[in-house]
Amino acid sequence: AQTVTQSQPEMSVQEAETVTLSCTYDTSESDYYLFWYKQPPSRQMILVIRQEAYKQQNATENRFSVNFQKAAKSFSLKISDSQLGDAAMYFCAYRRWGGATNKLIFGTGTLLAVQP
Amino acid sequence: GAGVSQSPSNKVTEKGKDVELRCDPISGHTALYWYRQSLGQGLEFLIYFQGNSAPDKSGLPSDRFSAERTGGSVSTLTIQRTQQEDSAVYLCASSREGSPTSYGYTFGSGTRLTVV
Repeated sequence: AQTVTQSQPEMSVQEAETVTLSCTYDTSESDYYLFWYKQPPSRQMILVIRQEAYKQQNATENRFSVNFQKAAKSFSLKISDSQLGDAAMYFCAYRRWGGATNKLIFGTGTLLAVQP
Repeated sequence: GAGVSQSPSNKVTEKGKDVELRCDPISGHTALYWYRQSLGQGLEFLIYFQGNSAPDKSGLPSDRFSAERTGGSVSTLTIQRTQQEDSAVYLCASSREGSPTSYGYTFGSGTRLTVV
C-alpha cells in the first residue's frame, strides 16, 4: 500500500523568506501523480502544484516549486518570497496512475506560520 | 455550480443520533470523493463514486457509514448511531475523469461534525 509521510508537523518562516516543506512517499509503482494542497482556516483544500512522475522537470507555479527526487521518493515544496497569505496547513498527496479508483492518499500535513 | 457545495457547514449531534451530510459537486464532474479529517490528522479516504456507482468504498470505517449518489450529481453521506469518534470534518471533492492528464480535485469547505 502507498503511504505519504510529512515529518514536519509545524514550520515557521519570516515574510519574504523562503521555506521548504518535506514529503516522502512509498510506492512500488512507476507511474503516479504527486500533489501539494493548501488548507487555510476556511477548510477548503486548494491545489498548489502537481507533478507527474514520468516528468523529470520539476513543476513550478509562480512562487511555488517542487524538488521531485523519484529515486529517493521525495517531493518537497519550496515557497519563495513567503507572504502572510501563505499561512495554512499544507498537505502532500499521492495518486496512482489509472486503476479502479483515483483516490488521493494524504500525508498528515505541515502547519506553516508566516511571521511579519 | 461554480464550486463544490457542502451542507451543513457545521453540525452538532447527540451520540446515538443519525446524521446526513450533503455534497453538491461541480456540474459535469463524474467523480466524487468523500474524505474524513480528524483533528491533527491528514485526510482519510472514505468512498469514491463514478457516476452513481461506488467502485471503491474501502475507506468506510464501519457499517454505520453509508453513502449514495443520485443523478450523477448530489451525494449524501449518512452516519447512523453516531459515536464521539465520528467527530471530524467531512470533506467532499469532485473531478472530471477520463482525461489523459491528471486534474487535481475541487474540494468543498467541508462539514464539521461534533458528536456530544
